[in-house]
Amino acid sequence: GQQVMQIPQYQHVQEGEDFTTYCNSSTTLSNIQWYKQRPGGHPVFLIQLVKSGEVKKQKRLTFQFGEAKKNSSLHITATQTTDVGTYFCAGRRTGFQKLVFGTGTRLLVSP
Amino acid sequence: NAGVTQTPKFQVLKTGQSMTLQCAQDMNHNSMYWYRQDPGMGLRLIYYSASEGTTDKGEVPNGYNVSRLNKREFSLRLESAAPSQTSVYFCASSGKDRTDSNQPQHFGDGTRLSIL
Repeated sequence: GQQVMQIPQYQHVQEGEDFTTYCNSSTTLSNIQWYKQRPGGHPVFLIQLVKSGEVKKQKRLTFQFGEAKKNSSLHITATQTTDVGTYFCAGRRTGFQKLVFGTGTRLLVSP
Repeated sequence: NAGVTQTPKFQVLKTGQSMTLQCAQDMNHNSMYWYRQDPGMGLRLIYYSASEGTTDKGEVPNGYNVSRLNKREFSLRLESAAPSQTSVYFCASSGKDRTDSNQPQHFGDGTRLSIL
């Protein structure tokens, strides 16, 4: 079955440092979504990427979809304490209804 | 605008007991989902309902049943709870339009379930 892996599992940074999480799928994806889950909260949708090689930005967050549509990354520039949480990617295979969530990357930011 | 509402928020059960987790959404979404979240495992799909009147198995359906009662409500039932089902359960919904597959999912606050 489809698997979606994320690395790293956990990262602890100092406020102001950059952060990147990588998402890799065993199968080609029709689209990929990113979610953020604050500690004790529920996942909240951030963005969706559909096109091969697509890059989207939301303020300090940059999202990329790989050329082969099997991997994706989320980069945060100059982290802030409000960025703390777990970031999940979720991919959908072409023709399938279901999203498969990655294992998540937990980000801790120290002031 | 409540979004996705899950009840209860917390529950402790004994092994062998049964219970139903309730989920309702007020966004007129077609698709609804049940996930479980365990440490280090991400979110795993238990069951989903692409539209009213249909349900399908996800990755980890064993030990669970679901009912899509109407467009708004999607319940998850544990017939005979086991300690391995201790987890946080999230309900989600998506898709106002006919083509739901690219719609973001909206999650409830979750149910924290412990089985002793």
